[in-house]
Amino acid sequence: GAGVSQSPSNKVTEKGKDVELRCDPISGHTALYWYRQSLGQGLEFLIYFQGNSAPDKSGLPSDRFSAERTGGSVSTLTIQRTQQEDSAVYLCASSFQGRNSDTQYFGPGTRLTVL
Amino acid sequence: GIQVEQSPPDLILQEGANSTLRCNFSDSVNNLQWFHQNPWGQLINLFYIPSGTKQNGRLSATTVATERYSLLYISSSQTTDSGVYFCAVEWSFGNEKLTFGTGTRLTIIP
Repeated sequence: GAGVSQSPSNKVTEKGKDVELRCDPISGHTALYWYRQSLGQGLEFLIYFQGNSAPDKSGLPSDRFSAERTGGSVSTLTIQRTQQEDSAVYLCASSFQGRNSDTQYFGPGTRLTVL
Repeated sequence: GIQVEQSPPDLILQEGANSTLRCNFSDSVNNLQWFHQNPWGQLINLFYIPSGTKQNGRLSATTVATERYSLLYISSSQTTDSGVYFCAVEWSFGNEKLTFGTGTRLTIIP
């Protein structure tokens, strides 16, 4: 079956612009996660959605970052007023129920470059 | 939070050699996954292994939860095994997020 998909695969933007990154989780998966991978920070958690519960936003680095998940499926990560330090690969993952016993499956990522 | 350390950070081997990658973690975990990040950046699931031993072809993994470590074994390595291997855990006292180690970069020379 189809895996986690993300779009765009690459995004180049100018400092100060807003960007939106999209994630389509595996069909039937109720849990969705955003991570980012940058040279200085490695792989780090950003935000977690589980069903209709309030998202866990504890990993978002600043209030310029926000995410939503519509209809329990597709998610959009929005970065406002982008800065050069936002340059990274943004990875989305999903799991069946989001419990600690579930495998997380990752998408191919969106490479964001802020000039 | 929980700390995850991987060793060695870099490993260069001849094709056909065997290797052992180690992951140490600082506290109790409910989930442990090993990933291979290929040259295109895709994270490929290798094992979901919070405890015990699993094997898949030339790869196997063992997690000893009581001693807080996991090992990934690669036998008869091939050039396609090159890439970065990550260990990631879900801390038992946190939310369901994965905390990643810094990875082991494996280079297989033909």
